[in-house]
Amino acid sequence: GENVEQHPSTLSVQEGDSAVIKCTYSDSASNYFPWYKQELGKRPQLIIDIRSNVGEKKDQRIAVTLNKTAKHFSLHITETQPEDSAVYFCAASKGGSYIPTFGRGTSLIVHP
Amino acid sequence: DTGVSQNPRHKITKRGQNVTFRCDPISEHNRLYWYRQTLGQGPEFLTYFQNEAQLEKSRLLSDRFSAERPKGSFSTLEIQRTEQGDSAMYLCASSPAPSTDTQYFGPGTRLTVL
Repeated sequence: GENVEQHPSTLSVQEGDSAVIKCTYSDSASNYFPWYKQELGKRPQLIIDIRSNVGEKKDQRIAVTLNKTAKHFSLHITETQPEDSAVYFCAASKGGSYIPTFGRGTSLIVHP
Repeated sequence: DTGVSQNPRHKITKRGQNVTFRCDPISEHNRLYWYRQTLGQGPEFLTYFQNEAQLEKSRLLSDRFSAERPKGSFSTLEIQRTEQGDSAMYLCASSPAPSTDTQYFGPGTRLTVL
C-alpha cells in the first residue's frame, strides 16, 4: 500500500519567515495530494491540493509543488503569521476510492 | 452550519462497554469516510461508503467495529467490547466524489476508554 513520509515533525519560525514542509510517497499511481491544517482540538481543514497533472499551485501565501519523478511534494507558506500555527498533514490518494494515506503531521509554530 | 457534524463530541466509557458514534455528512455528499486519529499521528482510514454501500474496510477495522449507512445519509460507527487501545479521535468525512475527491471533515468524537 501507499506510504507517506512527512518532514519535519516540528517547525519553528519567526513571524514573516517562510515555512516549507516536505512529503514523499511510494505509490506511483497516486494522483491527488491534499494538504490539511488542523488546529488544536479542531477538525482537519483542506488548505490546498494538487493533482498529478500539475507541477505547482498557489493560493495567496500558500503554494504546493509536486515532483512526480521523485515522488515528493512540498507545502510552502510565505510571510507566516501566528495564526498559521497548527499541525499540517499531507496526504496522497488515487482515483477510484480516493482513500488518502496521511503523513504523520508537522507542528508549525510561528513566533510573533 | 451545513458542514459535517458528529455526535457525541466526547465519550468516556469503561472497558468492555459498547459505544456508538453518529456522523451526518454534508447534504448530497454520496461518499462518507471514517478515520481514527491518535495523538501525534495523521488520520488512519477505517472504512468508507458510497451511498449506502460499504465499499472498503481497512485491516484496522477489527470484528469489534461495525459501520452502517442505512439510507445513504447519516452513518453510525459502533465499537463493541471496547478496549483501552480504542481510545482515539474518530473522524468522519464526506465527499461528493467522484465529481471531486475533496473530503470535508467533521469535528470528531473523542473516545476515552477507562
